[in-house]
Amino acid sequence: NAGVTQTPKFQVLKTGQSMTLQCAQDMNHEYMSWYRQDPGMGLRLIHYSVGAGITDQGEVPNGYNVSRSTTEDFPLRLLSAAPSQTSVYFCASSYGTGENTIYFGEGSWLTVV
Amino acid sequence: LAKTTQPISMDSYEGQEVNITCSHNNIATNDYITWYQQFPSQGPRFIIQGYKTKVTNEVASLFIPADRKSSTLSLPRVSLSDTAVYYCLAYLTTSGTYKYIFGTGTRLKVLA
Repeated sequence: NAGVTQTPKFQVLKTGQSMTLQCAQDMNHEYMSWYRQDPGMGLRLIHYSVGAGITDQGEVPNGYNVSRSTTEDFPLRLLSAAPSQTSVYFCASSYGTGENTIYFGEGSWLTVV
Repeated sequence: LAKTTQPISMDSYEGQEVNITCSHNNIATNDYITWYQQFPSQGPRFIIQGYKTKVTNEVASLFIPADRKSSTLSLPRVSLSDTAVYYCLAYLTTSGTYKYIFGTGTRLKVLA
């Protein structure tokens, strides 16, 4: 099983550029989310979705957009990249809430120069 | 914003038992508490999950009191390879919405 797949794994952007981090899961999970992790820090929730067509903000949503047109995909868009968005981004998914395991992707390393 | 609270760091020696406690005052009524382990440059990895009382698997035990406002991860006889950051995760309520919010994590260093 592929699990949670993130692309790209590494990306360098110039300030002001936009880009999309892709996330796909093949487990038919309803709940998907994006986290960012700065060096030496914990994971912070950016946006999450409880199902297709439904998204909501997490702890640090500014500068990011998401959409959930299908159950499988949950892309994260950086509208105008800033150096403060240099981080590792993790996509995660789970069947729902309650008794379930959250599965994480391998991470996307983003550097904004 | 409601969050879990854990000690920032802990040191231990090989072969010792390590207990890491997490506070989660606003946990959702029907949700489980889950612990994850993270090594550098990797995504978090599932360790154990529980709802209340005690759960044990091949790598850890999880103790949850009746009020479920806290939980304790117990790692028996740690080894150097257990050096990692450990996160507890609960589905927390804030302003009527529920989110999976990570705390700061506990950086465990196992010494020889």
